[in-house]
Amino acid sequence: KQEVTQIPAALSVPEGENLVLNCSFTDSAIYNLQWFRQDPGKGLTSLLLIQSSQREQTSGRLNASLDKSSGRSTLYIAASQPGDSATYLCAVRGGSEKLVFGKGTKLTVNP
Amino acid sequence: SAVISQKPSRDICQRGTSLTIQCQVDSQVTMMFWYRQQPGQSLTLIATANQGSEATYESGFVIDKFPISRPNLTFSTLTVSNMSPEDSSIYLCSVEKGAGYGYTFGSGTRLTVV
Repeated sequence: KQEVTQIPAALSVPEGENLVLNCSFTDSAIYNLQWFRQDPGKGLTSLLLIQSSQREQTSGRLNASLDKSSGRSTLYIAASQPGDSATYLCAVRGGSEKLVFGKGTKLTVNP
Repeated sequence: SAVISQKPSRDICQRGTSLTIQCQVDSQVTMMFWYRQQPGQSLTLIATANQGSEATYESGFVIDKFPISRPNLTFSTLTVSNMSPEDSSIYLCSVEKGAGYGYTFGSGTRLTVV
């Protein structure tokens, strides 16, 4: 059974800092991995999708990497801003077409 | 990626009543997924809805409590029946347009049962 773990559970940083969020998964037989952002009480916004054959994806100040063999992914946020404050969720898709989510990292960026 | 319209965005309901949540997708999709997110928790899959067949429920979720309709390839509803305060959660629908496209989520329904 696939299990996804995100570390840390919460992170507080000053504005402008670069930061890394970590995601690990137990079964390396994944189809792809997706990072989402969730604002309080809201739905999920997709940030980056990495296919199993890819090593990384970039969008603006965000960069996500994937090491399938070791079961790890990182989300790198450059020059963080208060508007980046949210919960970041990592989810993996296996062959069953179901997503398995981590519990998320709650990020607070202080002005 | 697909665009999903989910309604209502939030509701406060009396215990013992039912609430139906709707999701409309801007394109045809084979499967729609319904999730629950309890306070402070991550997402848990409730069921997968295919058009023209009964929904497939995950362990711990039953059709009598969470009946789902999927009348066509762009629309689905989830009903939360006979609600109790423990049903207070965010409910979300999701679709995957294709294996390489990732998942898109609706904006969520924040349900409070009093």
